[in-house]
Amino acid sequence: GENVEQHPSTLSVQEGDSAVIKCTYSDSASNYFPWYKQELGKRPQLIIDIRSNVGEKKDQRIAVTLNKTAKHFSLHITETQPEDSAVYFCAASNNNDMRFGAGTRLTVKP
Amino acid sequence: KAGVTQTPRYLIKTRGQQVTLSCSPISGHRSVSWYQQTPGQGLQFLFEYFSETQRNKGNFPGRFSGRQFSNSRSEMNVSTLELGDSALYLCASSLGLGSLTGELFFGEGSRLTVL
Repeated sequence: GENVEQHPSTLSVQEGDSAVIKCTYSDSASNYFPWYKQELGKRPQLIIDIRSNVGEKKDQRIAVTLNKTAKHFSLHITETQPEDSAVYFCAASNNNDMRFGAGTRLTVKP
Repeated sequence: KAGVTQTPRYLIKTRGQQVTLSCSPISGHRSVSWYQQTPGQGLQFLFEYFSETQRNKGNFPGRFSGRQFSNSRSEMNVSTLELGDSALYLCASSLGLGSLTGELFFGEGSRLTVL
């Protein structure tokens, strides 16, 4: 089955700096890669996703890049704000199931 | 539109007992998937149900089981509870199979503590 690894497990940045979270996956058949944000005590929510026919997708301050050859994808957050502090999960889906990474706890220090 | 509802929100059990958790998906959603969340382990996939059939299953022992009813509501059961089963159990619903359609809508979870 699919195996997703996510790094780093914790990340601390200063407000205004950029944050990058990286994930690798094992199943070359995976074709859908969403990112979820989980604020403390709340449920995970989708923030951005990318499909395998696209190399990059951007939505305001967040962007995701995908390298299918290397089987890795990344989340980029620019101009970080304190409200970006949360746990971020990447996931990979091969149309049969969706597997999540272990999560990255991002802390944005004001 | 009501969101995904999970009951109970909190429960405490002792080793060897069994527990049943319930999940009501968003109206119109036919897929329900279940995840176990523990610190450091992220979201571990348990299983996904679509149209009352289990479509996918994660790497959990047979003590973990589930089912889905005709109204798309789903239950998961854990028998012979172990201390390591203490976790937040999240369910998520989606219009079609989550892996195909994309966005999963999560409930607030059921926090299980096993003593």
